[in-house]
Amino acid sequence: ETGVTQSPTHLIKTRGQQVTLRCSSQSGHNTVSWYQQALGQGPQFIFQYYREEENGRGNFPPRFSGLQFPNYSSELNVNALELDDSALYLCASSQIYRGSTEAFFGQGTRLTVV
Amino acid sequence: RKEVEQDPGPFNVPEGATVAFNCTYSNSASQSFFWYRQDCRKEPKLLMSVYSSGNEDGRFTAQLNRASQYISLLIRDSKLSDSATYLCVVNTGNTPLVFGKGTRLSVIA
Repeated sequence: ETGVTQSPTHLIKTRGQQVTLRCSSQSGHNTVSWYQQALGQGPQFIFQYYREEENGRGNFPPRFSGLQFPNYSSELNVNALELDDSALYLCASSQIYRGSTEAFFGQGTRLTVV
Repeated sequence: RKEVEQDPGPFNVPEGATVAFNCTYSNSASQSFFWYRQDCRKEPKLLMSVYSSGNEDGRFTAQLNRASQYISLLIRDSKLSDSATYLCVVNTGNTPLVFGKGTRLSVIA
């Protein structure tokens, strides 16, 4: 196992609601990235946090926001959910700034918006 | 043009076959290259990194051609357990990983 855990594993929400997904990164990793993977697609980068600050963002609207905490765990928040937000949300932890770019993924949260 | 493009799947091959996946990337500044494996409804897992000199791990061989911006993965003696989606991944220094769409492999008995 990677040591990266996400919660919850599955979630069903109604259009317009808000959701918070959580990720505990691998011990010693200081960088957390979030990805959205729609069915039949590769993971798409949402944003990345390094030492509690966002330091990169993909092509996602502002209603996707996040946090990283002092223990390097992280949250992904999505407001005003849309049907197209239904996807597998993956959290990856890494030590990019220590010369390694290998990322370790959590098992993902499968979000269904109805 | 997508940053990372892969062969469209699915690939359906018999056990014991050799199968090759190809991938091209558009950013010439890309520095790190990987193949990830993703089983159905699971998270991606690193299969192998790809180095300029080419590298091998058992039945798996990865090649990188920087001039052509091309990456390949060769699987020899396919096993049923190799059935999965294979994701080509690149990144540029400290930037996030950029994934291809993935190629699905089904190994048939």
